[in-house]
Amino acid sequence: DSGVTQTPKHLITATGQRVTLRCSPRSGDLSVYWYQQSLDQGLQFLIHYYNGEERAKGNILERFSAQQFPDLHSELNLSSLELGDSALYFCASGGGHGNTDTQYFGPGTRLTVL
Amino acid sequence: QKEVEQDPGPLSVPEGAIVSLNCTYSNSAFQYFMWYRQYSRKGPELLMYTYSSGNKEDGRFTAQVDKSSKYISLFIRDSQPSDSATYLCAMRGTGTASKLTFGTGTRLQVTL
Repeated sequence: DSGVTQTPKHLITATGQRVTLRCSPRSGDLSVYWYQQSLDQGLQFLIHYYNGEERAKGNILERFSAQQFPDLHSELNLSSLELGDSALYFCASGGGHGNTDTQYFGPGTRLTVL
Repeated sequence: QKEVEQDPGPLSVPEGAIVSLNCTYSNSAFQYFMWYRQYSRKGPELLMYTYSSGNKEDGRFTAQVDKSSKYISLFIRDSQPSDSATYLCAMRGTGTASKLTFGTGTRLQVTL
């Protein structure tokens, strides 16, 4: 158990809808990273938040947005969903306990868009 | 060309064998190198972490980094069926905002 929690575990929705994925980092970690894993693309970095502020963006679509709250949990919002958004979405945390170098992954949210 | 290249396998070995997994990369700014293990679409689990060149050993696992060749390896000794998983290499540059860049993963099957 990495100490990172993600909810929900599974999400099934229809095209055009909007969903919110939630992540709680390990105790003491200030950074939250979001990744998308699909069969043909592997693990792709989406966005990084550090102590409430956006620090880096990867290949994140404009339909996707994220935020990190004062209690350090983070939410990833996906809107106008398309079939191609079906994937595993992972949250990772790090940057705590003086260690900025490693990232610990949560169990993921499996999103299916029908 | 991808920044990180990794043979997807699958790699099938008998129990007890020594396994060698490898990645090559093109970005010379990468300084931190990690290996993650991922079981059937679960969250990746950090196995090994090294900084810059050199070797690091942890139990049955040894990680090697050769920055001059832009080549990293993970060796698994006395492989067990429970080692069957996908192994992902990952790397990043310096700075707290530096993202991880992953290889596509090598699927390993250890047979009895």
